[in-house]
Amino acid sequence: GQQLNQSPQSMFIQEGEDVSMNCTSSSIFNTWLWYKQDPGEGPVLLIALYKAGELTSNGRLTAQFGITRKDSFLNISASIPSDVGIYFCAGQTGNEKLTFGTGTRLTIIP
Amino acid sequence: DTGVSQNPRHKITKRGQNVTFRCDPISEHNRLYWYRQTLGQGPEFLTYFQNEAQLEKSRLLSDRFSAERPKGSFSTLEIQRTEQGDSAMYLCASSLPGSPSYEQYFGPGTRLTVT
Repeated sequence: GQQLNQSPQSMFIQEGEDVSMNCTSSSIFNTWLWYKQDPGEGPVLLIALYKAGELTSNGRLTAQFGITRKDSFLNISASIPSDVGIYFCAGQTGNEKLTFGTGTRLTIIP
Repeated sequence: DTGVSQNPRHKITKRGQNVTFRCDPISEHNRLYWYRQTLGQGPEFLTYFQNEAQLEKSRLLSDRFSAERPKGSFSTLEIQRTEQGDSAMYLCASSLPGSPSYEQYFGPGTRLTVT
């Protein structure tokens, strides 16, 4: 099945650093969602975006819905150890299936 | 806990056996989705229900797979004659339609290992 392109695939950062990751698609989506997944668990919803150009924050997380509706960005400021995990973007048309990205694995170096 | 629940969390089965998983969505969420996630990949859509009606099935859902949601509440996913390629995490999600909220909330998943 189709998977959206996420970059980078993995990131190794030090605690306190800011993080940026993005997601691109060949298709237009009406909604972009960002999830975080810990090993052996289901994805947890972080942020949802509904309008092209929209910028939304949730604590230290900020996400943007690209103007073309084919991309989205997630930034994490001042990373902490519990930010470790895999981050997935997901695009959605209507209230139907999600198309997920390939994931960005975040590791914090002590 | 009022989140999505899935049972069992882990299932080990021998090739050729049938398995059934259960998903209980968040109360009042009328849409329920099944996804499959293999190692190192993002979840891939399998099928979804609105109430008891199954509205869409992915090509990934071969004829060995069947999903039901008989009363519009919990759902079951059955895999018949399991194959090693069926080994994956099976995720369930639910949502409550209504603008602007189309967010899907996931359960913890059922990890299937076919030996």
